[in-house]
Amino acid sequence: SQQGEEDPQALSIQEGENATMNCSYKTSINNLQWYRQNSGRGLVHLILIRSNEREKHSGRLRVTLDTSKKSSSLLITASRAADTASYFCATDAGWGGKLIFGQGTELSVKP
Amino acid sequence: SQTIHQWPATLVQPVGSPLSLECTVEGTSNPNLYWYRQAAGRGLQLLFYSVGIGQISSEVPQNLSASRPQDRQFILSSKKLLLSDSGFYLCAWSGGGDEKLFFGSGTQLSVL
Repeated sequence: SQQGEEDPQALSIQEGENATMNCSYKTSINNLQWYRQNSGRGLVHLILIRSNEREKHSGRLRVTLDTSKKSSSLLITASRAADTASYFCATDAGWGGKLIFGQGTELSVKP
Repeated sequence: SQTIHQWPATLVQPVGSPLSLECTVEGTSNPNLYWYRQAAGRGLQLLFYSVGIGQISSEVPQNLSASRPQDRQFILSSKKLLLSDSGFYLCAWSGGGDEKLFFGSGTQLSVL
């Protein structure tokens, strides 16, 4: 069964704008990860946030985690056309490395 | 550095034919290995994972099986493919105390 659910399913923005994607999950987690997938390709890890962390940054990425609401958000600032991809959240289901993925958000950044 | 190889990239098979997809990892030892399937426009479904040679855990009962004959080799198989087996299959590994997954480039399987 799916653990994470992303919102929105699709997002279209202009270059330079910020993109925010949300993820909700159902059970307790050890960590939550975000991945990116270009069309027809494998997934690439972006960032990991642990259950005892509330915010994490990596370059133009900012991830927040609210364990009381069982939700996370991914913010991409100053988006570029090259950011066009699908973004997935994944939760650690309790056994390290066994990740459960959500349905993803399809981001389109128009130049 | 570690690399993961997955092949073939695309595969078209008739219903009822067998399947063998192979995945190998280089540059690491005793990795955790995973097979995921992705339906068009959907998220990833974990099919199998393995923590060592000959150790396979199945997440979803189905028409597929997995084997790990060597430490860094993971094989996805089927004796008779169904139409519903079509999808994008992804192999991944983790290990070395790192909790993130490293994915292969995927195999697009079309069963006709």
